[in-house]
Amino acid sequence: GGIITQTPKFLIGQEGQKLTLKCQQNFNHDTMYWYRQDSGKGLRLIYYSITENDLQKGDLSEGYDASREKKSSFSLTVTSAQKNEMAVFLCASSIGGGHDTQYFGPGTRLLVL
Amino acid sequence: GDSVTQTEGLVTLTKGLPVMLNCTYQTTYSPFLFWYVQHLNEAPKLLLKSSTDNKRTEHQGFYATLHKSSSSFHLQKSSVQLSDSALYFCALSVIDRGSALGRLHFGAGTQLIVIP
Repeated sequence: GGIITQTPKFLIGQEGQKLTLKCQQNFNHDTMYWYRQDSGKGLRLIYYSITENDLQKGDLSEGYDASREKKSSFSLTVTSAQKNEMAVFLCASSIGGGHDTQYFGPGTRLLVL
Repeated sequence: GDSVTQTEGLVTLTKGLPVMLNCTYQTTYSPFLFWYVQHLNEAPKLLLKSSTDNKRTEHQGFYATLHKSSSSFHLQKSSVQLSDSALYFCALSVIDRGSALGRLHFGAGTQLIVIP
């Protein structure tokens, strides 16, 4: 088994601020993902990475940057937080490509004042 | 494009009753469907998955059958329990042409509330 850790659990920011979310996995999975979860809208893919230093844009990449520093970690940066924004950011990983099962972390809850 | 539709946003049921959560999808590729469950303040977890047409897949009392003819993958359970209260997501996996990786398209989710 393995685990995905996301830090911080809660993040409160100011409008216009750059905010960074971190994700670590010990599954030794190749592929990692960042999703945004909004109420009533399901999960939307922001970025994913198939290996260290690789980045692929998802459907919602505008306003975000990502970085895969090493195989076990994947960071997401909100480049300019939007006022009153409230969402949960979920990190996930899978063994490789294809239709492999994705394993999710507990999420980071963002609130922008 | 590829998409998933879950028609019910909220389903409220009394314990012991059967449930069916609807999921339909659109894709021009060979579909691979998933159901994920997310309990309150927890991470989404895989419930079941399938790519085989007309074959029932079961896990933890839940079951679903992929019907390619109707593009559906409805989730069912014959008798719901209080612990089944959660958010259920249907997801479609398609292979991204550029990266050759499977990526998930999620439905909006169905909140299931089971009452005593």
